[in-house]
Amino acid sequence: GAGVSQSPRYKVAKRGQDVALRCDPISGHVSLFWYQQALGQGPEFLTYFQNEAQLDKSGLPSDRFFAERPEGSVSTLKIQRTQQEDSAVYLCASSHRDSGSPRSYNEQFFGPGTRLTVL
Amino acid sequence: GENVEQHPSTLSVQEGDSAVIKCTYSDSASNYFPWYKQELGKGPQLIIDIRSNVGEKKDQRIAVTLNKTAKHFSLHITETQPEDSAVYFCAARASGGSYIPTFGRGTSLIVHP
Repeated sequence: GAGVSQSPRYKVAKRGQDVALRCDPISGHVSLFWYQQALGQGPEFLTYFQNEAQLDKSGLPSDRFFAERPEGSVSTLKIQRTQQEDSAVYLCASSHRDSGSPRSYNEQFFGPGTRLTVL
Repeated sequence: GENVEQHPSTLSVQEGDSAVIKCTYSDSASNYFPWYKQELGKGPQLIIDIRSNVGEKKDQRIAVTLNKTAKHFSLHITETQPEDSAVYFCAARASGGSYIPTFGRGTSLIVHP
């Protein structure tokens, strides 16, 4: 059973470049989350999908950040015109059921993350 | 929104000793409290969780306690082993409005052999 995979594992970008980070969730998982983890900090929520619907994007720090999950499985986080403050580890997590339900306590399974360094 | 404070930021113990990590939360509507272990180069992995209708939960060498009145919860690791060395995160999730967990800043646990 494969877990959540992310690619690339490491990305170095020059300031101003666009980047695309990919997440392959566990097969059949309905919910998918993106988090940003700065050095020495806990993960901070960016956005949440239920199937292909983006239900919450309140954590995206600016309109340079965009996420999609067009077929309800693989997701891509895109950052346009990268800035140095975008340097962080970007984590993807998936869970089986609707994690938006207050009665849902389903475990989130995290991928290994993509470490983005913006020079 | 929810605010989670975690202490200490670094904890160094000798193998075999116990380790305790404490977290406080601000939103009284939070009802689910997971703990994650993150090893270098890996994503966080759930190690134990507790729900607001339970005061304590134990799984082998790890246990978590919850005090809803005081809004704090703790992770206890007994008989620590070098492989317990990692960064541990607590989190809290509110049941109203947002179902997204808020994480603490993490505790780096170092177990010396």
